[in-house]
This record gives sequence, C-alpha cells and structure tokens, in this order.
Amino acid sequence: AQKVTQAQTEISVVEKEDVTLDCVYETRDTTYYLFWYKQPPSGELVFLIRRNSFDEQNEISGRYSWNFQKSTSSFNFTITASQVVDSAVYFCALRGGSGGSNYKLTFGKGTLLTVNP
Amino acid sequence: KAGVTQTPRYLIKTRGQQVTLSCSPISGHRSVSWYQQTPGQGLQFLFEYFSETQRNKGNFPGRFSGRQFSNSRSEMNVSTLELGDSALYLCASSLHLFLAGDTDTQYFGPGTRLTVL
Repeated sequence: AQKVTQAQTEISVVEKEDVTLDCVYETRDTTYYLFWYKQPPSGELVFLIRRNSFDEQNEISGRYSWNFQKSTSSFNFTITASQVVDSAVYFCALRGGSGGSNYKLTFGKGTLLTVNP
Repeated sequence: KAGVTQTPRYLIKTRGQQVTLSCSPISGHRSVSWYQQTPGQGLQFLFEYFSETQRNKGNFPGRFSGRQFSNSRSEMNVSTLELGDSALYLCASSLHLFLAGDTDTQYFGPGTRLTVL
C-alpha cells in the first residue's frame, strides 16, 4: 500500500522567511510520481509540480524549489522569501506506476502554512 | 482554457436523501476522478472514469456511485445520505488515464461542499 506522510500539521512564519514543507512517501512501485498541490481557503486544489521517480533532478520555479531524494523517500518543498499569499494548505501526493489500486493519487494529510505580515 | 467546473458549489441535504454532483472537465481531458475531503480522513479517492468506464475505485460503500458521459462530463451520486457524508467533494480531470509524461496530471475543480443534516 502507498503512504504519504506530512509530519508538519501547521507551520507559522513571518513574511520573507524561508520555509520548508516535508514529505515522506512509501511505495513498492519502482516507477511512481510525486506531486505537490496548494489549497487556498477557496478550496480548489492548485497543481504545483510533478516529479517522476526516475528523475531526481531538483527543480526551482521562482520562489519555489523542490528537493527529491529517492534514498530517503522524501520530496520536500521550500518557499523562499515567503509572502502572505502563500498562506494555504499544501498537500504532497503519490501516484504509483504499476497500475491497479496504486494508480490512484494518495495524499498526505497536508500542512497548513500561515505567513504573517 | 476554462478549468474544471463543479455544480452545485454548495448543497444541504438531510439524512436518507440522495444527491447528484456534476463535474465538467477541462476541454479535451478524458479522465475524471472524484475525491472526498473531510477534516478527519483528509483527501480520499472515490473513483476514476475514462472513456465512460470506471477504471479505478477507492474504498467507499456502494452508496457512492458515478458515471461518465460521452462528452467526458461526470456525475457522482450518493444515496441514503449519512451525517458522515458531509464533506468537500472534489473532481479532477486529466488528459489521459495513464501514460508516460505529464498527461495524467490531475487538475482540480473548486469542489462541492455537501452538508448532511
């Protein structure tokens, strides 16, 4: 069975601080896909990034960066110079590549990030 | 391009009633998935449809059902509502069911908030 753990339930920072959201996953699939979604108060899940298991290259997109480490089964997300608009719940998700029941998106419990002015 | 749309956005029902929720995917997307989000259980996968066929199903009772039409629009139905069915129901669409590359990345709608009294 697949599992995604986001150990941080809530994080509160002051604007312009850097913040890292942790994500640890478990899967028996050799090929799998990892995602981060953002859920603002409006409720809609906004896709942020997808990472394939065979591509361990880290990625930076503006103030966002992702660190994928297969050796530790982690896919952490860092926001640099946080802004109030970054306040949201962030979900890490895993999708297996072997088909069957692992093919569905399995979400972590989410991390509520509050950025205070 | 318009995003995923869901109707209605809010719904109040009483126990024992049934409800139908609707989802229109992004134009050109052929796969539609449904998720239930509650404070206690988080985001849980309900089912996924592709080409009018259910391709994957989560661990929900038979009271939860769905279907997909030839234009890829999807509906989910919950019969004999229980208090525990109160949740945000999210629909997500993707270009394809599962292929190498990014074509199975799921994009979410704003959700339907169902309250069962």
